[in-house]
Amino acid sequence: AQSVTQPDIHITVSEGASLELRCNYSYGATPYLFWYVQSPGQGLQLLLKYFSGDTLVQGIKGFEAEFKRSQSSFNLRKPSVHWSDAAEYFCAVGAGSFQKLVFGTGTRLLVSP
Amino acid sequence: KAGVTQTPRYLIKTRGQQVTLSCSPISGHRSVSWYQQTPGQGLQFLFEYFSETQRNKGNFPGRFSGRQFSNSRSEMNVSTLELGDSALYLCASSLVGGGTLSTEAFFGQGTRLTVV
Repeated sequence: AQSVTQPDIHITVSEGASLELRCNYSYGATPYLFWYVQSPGQGLQLLLKYFSGDTLVQGIKGFEAEFKRSQSSFNLRKPSVHWSDAAEYFCAVGAGSFQKLVFGTGTRLLVSP
Repeated sequence: KAGVTQTPRYLIKTRGQQVTLSCSPISGHRSVSWYQQTPGQGLQFLFEYFSETQRNKGNFPGRFSGRQFSNSRSEMNVSTLELGDSALYLCASSLVGGGTLSTEAFFGQGTRLTVV
């Protein structure tokens, strides 16, 4: 069965510092991989997605992620965090199709001044 | 272009009652998926509809059901509500069959259901 692991429940980063959120997936075939962000009381917004091709994908708001098949990882990065990036981040894998997503448990990002 | 619209935004129901939630997808999107989000279980897939047919179903009891209309709008229904059904219910729509842009799920803001 497909699964996604986000090992960090909370991460605190100073404003202006770099960020890396970890994501490991388990899926037998070539995965569809996604990163979503959720602000309190809101829905999910897609940051970026990977299907095939270049393993480094660029997303919105200055985020990028790198797909590493050998490590079954899809870590999210941002070179300089802004206070408005404070939110919860979810990694997801398309379980056979992208309409059925399996999500990780999320990582809550706190940004300190 | 309007996004995914879910109504109502908030609901309070009593145990044993039933509830219907509505989702209007982005214009032209034919796939609608539903997810339940709780602090304990996280985001879990409920079901997906495409062209009025349920194509995928998650591991939820039969009290959870849904349907999709010819205009792609979808409803989900929960009967005999339990306290544990309190959650944020999220709807997502996808284009499907439209090239790479079809491979993205757009989420609504959700319906917050509280069962008392």
